[in-house]
Amino acid sequence: GEDVEQSLFLSVREGDSSVINCTYTDSSSTYLYWYKQEPGAGLQLLTYIFSNMDMKQDQRLTVLLNKKDKHLSLRIADTQTGDSAIYFCAESPNVNKFYFGSGTKLNVKP
Amino acid sequence: SQTIHQWPATLVQPVGSPLSLECTVEGTSNPNLYWYRQAAGRGLQLLFYSVGIGQISSEVPQNLSASRPQDRQFILSSKKLLLSDSGFYLCAWTPPYGAADEKLFFGSGTQLSVL
Repeated sequence: GEDVEQSLFLSVREGDSSVINCTYTDSSSTYLYWYKQEPGAGLQLLTYIFSNMDMKQDQRLTVLLNKKDKHLSLRIADTQTGDSAIYFCAESPNVNKFYFGSGTKLNVKP
Repeated sequence: SQTIHQWPATLVQPVGSPLSLECTVEGTSNPNLYWYRQAAGRGLQLLFYSVGIGQISSEVPQNLSASRPQDRQFILSSKKLLLSDSGFYLCAWTPPYGAADEKLFFGSGTQLSVL
């Protein structure tokens, strides 16, 4: 249950919506997470979703969870240049363990 | 509020030299502590985690070791660095098992270059 897959790059224009996708393998994860990493910095927790939910909205962020397909997505509405960063999907199938995808680099063009 | 401190921010070391990276957490007790490595352009690899003083679990065999001499202190070490040890090292913490929050919080990272 440690394989978390993400596409490596996404490029969008400022003002458009961004959708970052992730697939995971372990259906026992209680929570699934999205983290944001800006250059040279640590990871910042953006949002998370409890595994018995299908959707969670938090201002410009919408998380969709399809447990059947083990698919997680992060939608950023009205994407801004400040949203340019690497976004990581993570699962926690066991207590104390968190596994991350390789990260999706989001490039927002003005 | 809880904070995590990690230092140094950058480090350049010659091959064969020792390593010591330190991480401390404030504002909480008995946290779970983690060391991750992020190689250039790649995702995060879990190296070590600890659920208490002196309790270290290693995820991958490697040239590194970890120690937890105090409740909120986590140290990453090596006796002799290899070129392949270069990367961005991240310390992280979660509340102890049974706490309401199952969230991982990261330090600001250490960029290690082994030359």
